[in-house]
Amino acid sequence: DTGVSQDPRHKITKRGQNVTFRCDPISEHNRLYWYRQTLGQGPEFLTYFQNEAQLEKSRLLSDRFSAERPKGSFSTLEIQRTEQGDSAMYLCASSPTTNEQFFGPGTRLTVL
Amino acid sequence: AQKITQTQPGMFVQEKEAVTLDCTYDTSDQSYGLFWYKQPSSGEMIFLIYQGSYDEQNATEGRYSLNFQKARKSANLVISASQLGDSAMYFCAMRANQAGTALIFGKGTTLSVSS
Repeated sequence: DTGVSQDPRHKITKRGQNVTFRCDPISEHNRLYWYRQTLGQGPEFLTYFQNEAQLEKSRLLSDRFSAERPKGSFSTLEIQRTEQGDSAMYLCASSPTTNEQFFGPGTRLTVL
Repeated sequence: AQKITQTQPGMFVQEKEAVTLDCTYDTSDQSYGLFWYKQPSSGEMIFLIYQGSYDEQNATEGRYSLNFQKARKSANLVISASQLGDSAMYFCAMRANQAGTALIFGKGTTLSVSS
């Protein structure tokens, strides 16, 4: 399968714990995006990488959130001291150009 | 501010009929792109169709076409010959930054196709 992959697909954690998600983009895509989607809403942009450089961050990305893309390949999104309001689907997308973005299956986070 | 509005929370259609899903957008940029994505219950976002603001012809991809009316700032998705597998949530999105970063999504329309 050559699509965008995300791991884990589901994560249940207790409030206050740290969690880390991984995204593997389509191999030739140099642009990588993270979005968050809550129930009944469209995805909301979190952050964007071009190769290894994090070029844009949304105001939604609080200090508890950090993303990395070492070597311009896979990316990780870490949430520290999780809160119940962090419960959402976290979507990763990659793109070779400024046009269509190809999404992964998402990681569904539940914070108890 | 950039904004996407989808005013239809839900749409119902019978198999083999055509259906139009509405989308209006707001941007002051001259160069922008409009997208439609399908999200089945499994959760994955599936890219359907793209329209650039300077494209003179409406985009088409198989059974999907985008009715682009620039003056009205609308980008409606037309699905011809609906199939049961088209039942899903549909999102309209816009990229309005020339650097090509974030997509701004609407709230979506749930399409239900019945036999």
